[in-house]
Amino acid sequence: AQKITQTQPGMFVQEKEAVTLDCTYDTSDQSYGLFWYKQPSSGEMIFLIYQGSYDEQNATEGRYSLNFQKARKSANLVISASQLGDSAMYFCAMREGNSGYSTLTFGKGTMLLVSP
Amino acid sequence: EPEVTQTPSHQVTQMGQEVILRCVPISNHLYFYWYRQILGQKVEFLVSFYNNEISEKSEIFDDQFSVERPDGSNFTLKIRSTKLEDSAMYFCASTWMVETQYFGPGTRLLVL
Repeated sequence: AQKITQTQPGMFVQEKEAVTLDCTYDTSDQSYGLFWYKQPSSGEMIFLIYQGSYDEQNATEGRYSLNFQKARKSANLVISASQLGDSAMYFCAMREGNSGYSTLTFGKGTMLLVSP
Repeated sequence: EPEVTQTPSHQVTQMGQEVILRCVPISNHLYFYWYRQILGQKVEFLVSFYNNEISEKSEIFDDQFSVERPDGSNFTLKIRSTKLEDSAMYFCASTWMVETQYFGPGTRLLVL
């Protein structure tokens, strides 16, 4: 079974609109973390936002927020007020356990295209 | 702001040759990783490194791969005898806490 599932291969949004990128995860660990990374066409992986399994509030970082629904095992990324520069591949990832050297398991990604 | 750096940005090599990919993690970080991404696919974990030894490795990380932290700043990935299927983007990452992993810009390896 996939540990991280991103069901949207591609998403289109108009500039200044909000967009939600879906992510569901599968783990039996009680302690885990969820991450979102942005990968523009240049290839680098840019860390966006993190949510710990014990965090009671949804994480926010500027225009990014993470809609964490623990019972549903979902960790959707919400980008408010989309900009042209948001066009990129977006990956959801999970760290299982609470160790610093726990590895990340990535989903297949969602390509976001922002149009003027 | 400190960042992970990687060299070279691109590497082209012949099948069977050895390559060494270099990374300089963020200076106060304790945990180091290599991941790879075959073109158009998801990022896959290769190996993690802590306290000068491998802490975890994936099934991809077979005997042709090795990692080293030779001088307290560099972190290298060596592929002894490259194969066509080793062509990928290789990312180094580092962290000192569980809340994030910072990735370098990647080395794009092409094996001919």
